[in-house]
Amino acid sequence: DAKTTQPTSMDCAEGRAANLPCNHSTISGNEYVYWYRQIHSQGPQYIIHGLKNNETNEMASLIITEDRKSSTLILPHATLRDTAVYYCIVTDGGSQGNLIFGKGTKLSVKP
Amino acid sequence: DAMVIQNPRYQVTQFGKPVTLSCSQTLNHNVMYWYQQKSSQAPKLLFHYYDKDFNNEADTPDNFQSRRPNTSFCFLDIRSPGLGDAAMYLCATSRLAGGTYEQYFGPGTRLTVT
Repeated sequence: DAKTTQPTSMDCAEGRAANLPCNHSTISGNEYVYWYRQIHSQGPQYIIHGLKNNETNEMASLIITEDRKSSTLILPHATLRDTAVYYCIVTDGGSQGNLIFGKGTKLSVKP
Repeated sequence: DAMVIQNPRYQVTQFGKPVTLSCSQTLNHNVMYWYQQKSSQAPKLLFHYYDKDFNNEADTPDNFQSRRPNTSFCFLDIRSPGLGDAAMYLCATSRLAGGTYEQYFGPGTRLTVT
């Protein structure tokens, strides 16, 4: 079973920041938080991952709380092309990267 | 560009007729995965190869088999497709980098069973 809880859906205005929350209260010390997204009819796409520290790349920022029980993915300036299902996944390196997908959050970016 | 390629993109097969889906990669990754994604559901891992070592998920039906003849290619064989096997099948690859795995997905093959 997935170890994360995410809202089913969210809306965001184009050009505004999209903040997608994820709860992972049972995360263990060696587990990473990964974010993937899946645009309609395409394969999932890696966005970002982190262990303890906040992370940023060209796509997004990942904010992980100090107790690591929750995190937030931030898309700083959402565009219509960011409309997708966003999956927050917790996994450790020992499982050879196996991803157990939860239901994800359907983000709709509106003009 | 380095990528994960799945052929065909759309496959129609008859109930009970064996079918093979193909995946190839130019990333030279040592891990390859197969996922099944049914309509309006999240992807579900079927199995993966770590190099030549095959790892089956506990709840993957015996009807699903896989072959990896070399690093670049991986096949998904469905021996006797049922109507419930209609789904998108996703191939992904990864390698260990910095203590973690980042997966690269192909576009998927949509399987229809008639």
